[in-house]
Amino acid sequence: DVKVTQSSRYLVKRTGEKVFLECVQDMDHENMFWYRQDPGLGLRLIYFSYDVKMKEKGDIPEGYSVSREKKERFSLILESASTNQTSMYLCASSPAGEGDNTEAFFGQGTRLTVV
Amino acid sequence: GESVGLHLPTLSVQEGDNSIINCAYSNSASDYFIWYKQESGKGPQFIIDIRSNMDKRQGQRVTVLLNKTVKHLSLQIAATQPGDSAVYFCAENYSGAGSYQLTFGKGTKLSVIP
Repeated sequence: DVKVTQSSRYLVKRTGEKVFLECVQDMDHENMFWYRQDPGLGLRLIYFSYDVKMKEKGDIPEGYSVSREKKERFSLILESASTNQTSMYLCASSPAGEGDNTEAFFGQGTRLTVV
Repeated sequence: GESVGLHLPTLSVQEGDNSIINCAYSNSASDYFIWYKQESGKGPQFIIDIRSNMDKRQGQRVTVLLNKTVKHLSLQIAATQPGDSAVYFCAENYSGAGSYQLTFGKGTKLSVIP
């Protein structure tokens, strides 16, 4: 089974702190994604990566950055946490299809509260 | 921009009845669709997918129907059980752009009445 592991289930951070959310997948997937999930807004894509050291902005990248130094690990960084970044953060991975898509596999999520 | 949406934000069904969750998509070029289930406190889990060259696909107790003419996707759950209570998301993708990003709907909450 594919396993996507997020390092923390719950985090509480102070405004202005630098926050790291870590995600590791064990299936050698090329693609990795970071979403945030908010009530009434669904899942919104923050950043994604198709390969090591490669990153692309999603729909809401402002206030975030990412790092993909190794294929299995994709980190989301909040440079200076703000209260409007309180949310559920979901990491996902998928294999690179050869002309066909496949589903994305999700981690359990990290519920971040910024106070 | 184009987006994926849902007709009904909440749905309550009696245990044992069939459930139908609907989704409208606006990108006529989308060629791959997925239904996810998300239980409280957990990440989304894959249920079933369908490609645009199909109209119907069946899994265990679940069926996905795709109507490309009206850009409509539905998830049917047979003999709904309490364990089916969750939020269900549809997602779409257009593979022709070389992108594997999924665009998600906002979700429908399914509540099963025992």
